[in-house]
Amino acid sequence: GQNIDQPTEMTATEGAIVQINCTYQTSGFNGLFWYQQHAGEAPTFLSYNVLDGLEEKGRFSSFLSRSKGYSYLLLKELQMKDSASYLCAVMDSNYQLIWGAGTKLIIKP
Amino acid sequence: GAVVSQHPSWVICKSGTSVKIECRSLDFQATTMFWYRQFPKQSLMLMATSNEGSKATYEQGVEKDKFLINHASLTLSTLTVTSAHPEDSSFYICSARIPTGQETQYFGPGTRLLVL
Repeated sequence: GQNIDQPTEMTATEGAIVQINCTYQTSGFNGLFWYQQHAGEAPTFLSYNVLDGLEEKGRFSSFLSRSKGYSYLLLKELQMKDSASYLCAVMDSNYQLIWGAGTKLIIKP
Repeated sequence: GAVVSQHPSWVICKSGTSVKIECRSLDFQATTMFWYRQFPKQSLMLMATSNEGSKATYEQGVEKDKFLINHASLTLSTLTVTSAHPEDSSFYICSARIPTGQETQYFGPGTRLLVL
């Protein structure tokens, strides 16, 4: 079967750095996405990785290792507004998105 | 990023009524749109894939006669929840995929449905 694993919840301190991991097993691979979802709102697109390596976008970076079936989202200089759920999703060989359950990130002052 | 709108954002209705939700891509043409449902504190669940000019593809366990999807144009898909019941109360979110490039899905703001 296909599955995406990410931690259920993480806690970090304002101003610090946090890394959210995602491992996957899917039928084929056509890219990995990270989305941010605030409570009661729809997801918003953060990043897309299809090749191995690190993609940096401001305070957020996303890393991919296809051979290991592994990705992480790195958030720097954490702000209170970063408190949200972070969803990892993999596009399989049929171009279907397989969603992780999301990681709830709690930022403390 | 691309903009997707949804209307209405909130619906409260009586049991047995039908509710229509619209999803529009505002600045691009979307040949494919997706409808998701999300219950509180749960992950997104894909309901169906909506293709312009053809029938929608429903996920296993989703009743196509209850959740009617129409993708009449390249910028509009509609989801109609027919004979809604309290268990249909949920957060319904559409997304649209830009047909070129990285296949990213952009989400609408969602529609919160409460069936009394």
